[in-house]
Amino acid sequence: AQTVTQSQPEMSVQEAETVTLSCTYDTSENNYYLFWYKQPPSRQMILVIRQEAYKQQNATENRFSVNFQKAAKSFSLKISDSQLGDTAMYFCASGVYNQGGKLIFGQGTELSVKP
Amino acid sequence: DVKVTQSSRYLVKRTGEKVFLECVQDMDHENMFWYRQDPGLGLRLIYFSYDVKMKEKGDIPEGYSVSREKKERFSLILESASTNQTSMYLCASGLHPGQGPGASNQPQHFGDGTRLSIL
Repeated sequence: AQTVTQSQPEMSVQEAETVTLSCTYDTSENNYYLFWYKQPPSRQMILVIRQEAYKQQNATENRFSVNFQKAAKSFSLKISDSQLGDTAMYFCASGVYNQGGKLIFGQGTELSVKP
Repeated sequence: DVKVTQSSRYLVKRTGEKVFLECVQDMDHENMFWYRQDPGLGLRLIYFSYDVKMKEKGDIPEGYSVSREKKERFSLILESASTNQTSMYLCASGLHPGQGPGASNQPQHFGDGTRLSIL
């Protein structure tokens, strides 16, 4: 069975600093993919970044990047130049290609960006 | 932009009531999902549906049922609400494999959530 673990329930960072959120996962599948979602206080879940497991290159989206360590089954999210609007709950999720879009989510990390 | 609309943001019901949570998506997605979100537990899948009138149990289906009579609408039903079903409920939709290139790894699109309190 797939599992996703986020071991940091809460984190804080000063505005303009860099922060890294941790995520580990476990799967016996070879064809899978990973996401980071953001849930701001307004509650709507928004996709931040995605990574295909078969790609060695780490995904980046503007200030957001991942450190994907396939052998270690680690998928951390780095936020550079943190902004107040980055304050949110962040969820790591994994999916398997032959499971039709079903995702397994981690427990979430609540990030506070302080002015 | 994909829009997933949940009928209520807040709902208060009493123990034993039958509760309906409605979700509508406007992107012709085959897949629809219901999750519950609890602090420290993340999102847990209750039920999902790959097509009209099709449903599959997720990880925590007990005490819930679903209905998908039309492609755009996916309803979650609490047959006899109990206090341990007080939670945030999130609906999502997404592409099904075969709906397009790379459909398997497409993200799910979420509604704003319904915070349900059972008294």
